[in-house]
Amino acid sequence: EVQLVESGGVLVQPGRSMKLSCAASGFTFSSFPMAWVRQAPTKGLEWVATISTSGGSTYYRDSVKGRFTISRDNAKSTLYLQMDSLRSEDTATYYCTTGNWFAYWGQGTLVTVSS
Amino acid sequence: DIVLTQAPLSVSVTPGESASISCRSSKSLLSSKGITSLYWYLQRPGKSPQLLIYQMSNLASGVPDRFSSSGSETDFTLKISKVETEDVGVYYCGHRLEYPYTFGAGTKLELK
Repeated sequence: EVQLVESGGVLVQPGRSMKLSCAASGFTFSSFPMAWVRQAPTKGLEWVATISTSGGSTYYRDSVKGRFTISRDNAKSTLYLQMDSLRSEDTATYYCTTGNWFAYWGQGTLVTVSS
Repeated sequence: DIVLTQAPLSVSVTPGESASISCRSSKSLLSSKGITSLYWYLQRPGKSPQLLIYQMSNLASGVPDRFSSSGSETDFTLKISKVETEDVGVYYCGHRLEYPYTFGAGTKLELK
């Protein structure tokens, strides 16, 4: 059974940093691109970033480019999202999801950016 | 960026009846490989999204065949036949043609 378990979401002040993790199991992690998708409270889904199987290629939405870094450790089957210079508009539940189809989703972790 | 416009924003359906949700793209979603890069997701209340349909018309694993999807290069329809209680939630269309990947605003399905 595919499992994705996100962690690391907390309340943080604007301008600070945070790192999210997503522990994967039940599939060959290294064979799939991975992505982060977020959902602001009461809002819709928003793609954030994607990373290739090796980690050699990464893609970001414009609003997080230069502030967020997606990475992965295939030996640990874990996906990461380093978030720097956080803004109030980054407040959202962050989901990790698999492949380009977004076939499987974690339960999400809530990031709140507020002073 | 590709804009996906869903309609209606909400729909109320009697259990056992059918429902249709439209998704219109600002750009053709037909890729150079001949694949139409349109996906449908359902987010039940308080839950994570789940994949329903991939590449416009293919049912994801475990999804009942009451769900179907069709369309052209820019206009798509998700149909749910014989709506059940478990179908309540918000339906999103999304594309994977190019970055940035985008989603529609969502259509909320509720029961009468």
